Amino acid sequence: NAGVTQTPKFRILKIGQSMTLQCTQDMNHNYMYWYRQDPGMGLKLIYYSVGAGITDKGEVPNGYNVSRSTTEDFPLRLELAAPSQTSVYFCASSPGSETQYFGPGTRLLVL
Amino acid sequence: QKEVEQNSGPLSVPEGAIASLNCTYSDRGSQSFFWYRQYSGKSPELIMSIYSNGDKEDGRFTAQLNKASQYVSLLIRDSQPSDSATYLCAVKTSYDKVIFGPGTSLSVIP
Repeated sequence: NAGVTQTPKFRILKIGQSMTLQCTQDMNHNYMYWYRQDPGMGLKLIYYSVGAGITDKGEVPNGYNVSRSTTEDFPLRLELAAPSQTSVYFCASSPGSETQYFGPGTRLLVL
Repeated sequence: QKEVEQNSGPLSVPEGAIASLNCTYSDRGSQSFFWYRQYSGKSPELIMSIYSNGDKEDGRFTAQLNKASQYVSLLIRDSQPSDSATYLCAVKTSYDKVIFGPGTSLSVIP
């Protein structure tokens, strides 16, 4: 099992550009989450999903969109990138009440 | 009120001492509680999960949960320099969100 994979590892965006952060898990987990982590801070929940076709907002959803068409994939879309979206983005999956399994993260720099 | 709060750091303890990390949460319907360790530049990794009131021990780590007080703690006995990291408390709320606290940075001094 690869677990949770994220692509790209690192990306530089210009202000106003758009991009999609990819997240895939091969553990057949129903729950998936997107977090961002600013330097020296904890993780902030952006969006989460409890199953294919179901998504909901977390703590900081503005400027982001998600979709969950399959159990395996949970892409995060950034529209009109802003410097405030410079952060490390983590995707995680979970079978339910149990622990989350995290991907390696995507470092995003918006200039 | 923030959903998950942790004691402010950084926390420094000498090698071999007990490190105590605290966390409070606001959603009384929360049922699942987690402690993660995160080294700089790495993903969080699970140390302990706890679901019922009381203590749960795993090696040098003990998690304590008091749902009435909405309080979770993590004790690290015989602290080692390799324990130096940021410790994140996470709570699964009644809405299936998993919310993290801001983290507590721990330094173990040899």
